[in-house]
Amino acid sequence: KAGVTQTPRYLIKTRGQQVTLSCSPISGHRSVSWYQQTPGQGLQFLFEYFSETQRNKGNFPGRFSGRQFSNSRSEMNVSTLELGDSALYLCASSLAVQGPGEQYFGPGTRLTVT
Amino acid sequence: GENVEQHPSTLSVQEGDSAVIKCTYSDSASNYFPWYKQELGKRPQLIIDIRSNVGEKKDQRIAVTLNKTAKHFSLHITETQPEDSAVYFCAATPVPNPKGGGNKLTFGTGTQLKVEL
Repeated sequence: KAGVTQTPRYLIKTRGQQVTLSCSPISGHRSVSWYQQTPGQGLQFLFEYFSETQRNKGNFPGRFSGRQFSNSRSEMNVSTLELGDSALYLCASSLAVQGPGEQYFGPGTRLTVT
Repeated sequence: GENVEQHPSTLSVQEGDSAVIKCTYSDSASNYFPWYKQELGKRPQLIIDIRSNVGEKKDQRIAVTLNKTAKHFSLHITETQPEDSAVYFCAATPVPNPKGGGNKLTFGTGTQLKVEL
């Protein structure tokens, strides 16, 4: 089976712009979670989607949003980018319906905000 | 919410020695505890996990122990090899939310393990 894929792998944006990141889960996985990884804050949970519904949310401002499509692919959007949004954004998919269960990570999207 | 503390932040061992990384969690409702290995520039990889109804789990050179009473769990790597060098993260997940389901992971701050020849 193909693993979790993310596009694009690298992005450079300017403050104030918005960005959309994409994640394709492992085939059959309906849960997709997003995490932000930075040297200072480590790995932090953004949100989780299951069957096109957000069912868990972390402590990030409303500028961070996401959605999931009927094929379980997920996107996250960050509006009005700030320098502090520079990070590696990872998505993870899980087969577990009720959870918690094994999560498998994608390679990440490296976002740089200048 | 859940808080996970991880120690040590760096660990250096000689090849062949054992390595132990410890984590504590705050939410007694947490019931799933995975460990991830992240090599430089790569994605976190699940290496072992344990659920709250089990006290210990082994997979070849890797083992995880869980003490629910003390709310801590540990990763044990025996016969370390240079390829074990990486950052290791522990994580905890509470029981599914009332709406049904949940895969939210709260991570520790990571341990940089270096295995020296």
